Amino acid sequence: GAGVSQSPRYKVAKRGQDVALRCDPISGHVSLFWYQQALGQGPEFLTYFQNEAQLDKSGLPSDRFFAERPEGSVSTLKIQRTQQEDSAVYLCASSLVGSHTEAFFGQGTRLTVV
Amino acid sequence: GENVEQHPSTLSVQEGDSAVIKCTYSDSASNYFPWYKQELGKRPQLIIDIRSNVGEKKDQRIAVTLNKTAKHFSLHITETQPEDSAVYFCAATSIDDSYDKVIFGPGTSLSVIP
Repeated sequence: GAGVSQSPRYKVAKRGQDVALRCDPISGHVSLFWYQQALGQGPEFLTYFQNEAQLDKSGLPSDRFFAERPEGSVSTLKIQRTQQEDSAVYLCASSLVGSHTEAFFGQGTRLTVV
Repeated sequence: GENVEQHPSTLSVQEGDSAVIKCTYSDSASNYFPWYKQELGKRPQLIIDIRSNVGEKKDQRIAVTLNKTAKHFSLHITETQPEDSAVYFCAATSIDDSYDKVIFGPGTSLSVIP
């Protein structure tokens, strides 16, 4: 596709359940970013990949959060043992170059933990 | 690390008037400042960006100014239209050879009244 695609668009998880969120970046984009956006707030950085290398994971809130991009294209954000405070929109963005220059966002996955 | 503040948090203007949103940043190493527009339930969209070697950039009704000395940058929208109503986020990062994460401001909710 032409844009960044994320799936699922909506996910309801029971507390304690594991979830996996997928991001398909724009083809050929080197950089991929994951953000968490709480209601009424700006995106907060979670992690960054340059190709398959995870260069920065300092924003991941706990060791329950794990991200991978094994072939330098599709990325998956996994959250283990979900908790209510994990409820948010998870946004993925990609950029052609090795930085956030002209990064394009996906529509996000809205995660609700009940 | 970088900290980005944004004001006002809400802004209401009459159609045809101008709107100005101001942001400040703390890290003098930041040299790239994108602005994103996010309509309700949709993805953030890059509307304009500016690099630190430029003081002003304009694209039709949208302009951004940067004052490196004072560490602040502003978004100016002229001749506002109802479709400009959205949440606007400023952000700051460094795009030199060494990667740096993007820090977003908390957002400004703009309402354009017909």
